[in-house]
Amino acid sequence: KNEVEQSPQNLTAQEGEFITINCSYSVGISALHWLQQHPGGGIVSLFMLSSGKKKHGRLIATINIQEKHSSLHITASHPRDSAVYICAVRRGGGADGLTFGKGTHLIIQP
Amino acid sequence: EAQVTQNPRYLITVTGKKLTVTCSQNMNHEYMSWYRQDPGLGLRQIYYSMNVEVTDKGDVPEGYKVSRKEKRNFPLILESPSPNQTSLYFCASSLHPTPHNEQFFGPGTRLTVL
Repeated sequence: KNEVEQSPQNLTAQEGEFITINCSYSVGISALHWLQQHPGGGIVSLFMLSSGKKKHGRLIATINIQEKHSSLHITASHPRDSAVYICAVRRGGGADGLTFGKGTHLIIQP
Repeated sequence: EAQVTQNPRYLITVTGKKLTVTCSQNMNHEYMSWYRQDPGLGLRQIYYSMNVEVTDKGDVPEGYKVSRKEKRNFPLILESPSPNQTSLYFCASSLHPTPHNEQFFGPGTRLTVL
């Protein structure tokens, strides 16, 4: 079993729909990251979370430490949101690297 | 512009021919890391460095070497590349080696080993 599991693996939705991507992890973490990988391959950091909720524009990320679960929500989805969304966790409190989920491939159709 | 650069962006080589992929950041970041991305496996960490002359193995270090002689540069060296090292490689950096720093990724290097 992978330490970081994402669901769904693939998601196709219509423009304007509310999107939810889930991430569950099985290890103790100090932080959780959500990343976006564009169709061209570039990766950008969307959020870092250690508790609670963060919002940036139409994107909202939440984390429940007790349940070891995080969600990424996209409101009023748009075709430009089409990308792979990757959850990554940083274990413990040290400088260890990130352990990644396999990603969720999102397609928003006009 | 603050950025992480990688070179080359694309490389096709043959088994056993030593190669180096360069990574450079202009943000005075302490922490740098290399990842590889493979279909079905996602991103996996190869090596990381918390500062100059400090490097450590990630999850998949076999067949790779790194060095951190200067703060801005973190080259990835494949002494004797093999076909199973065909992959998409990303370098990343963050300000400090603590959990809450945003990671900045380079554009990626697509390597094919024949």
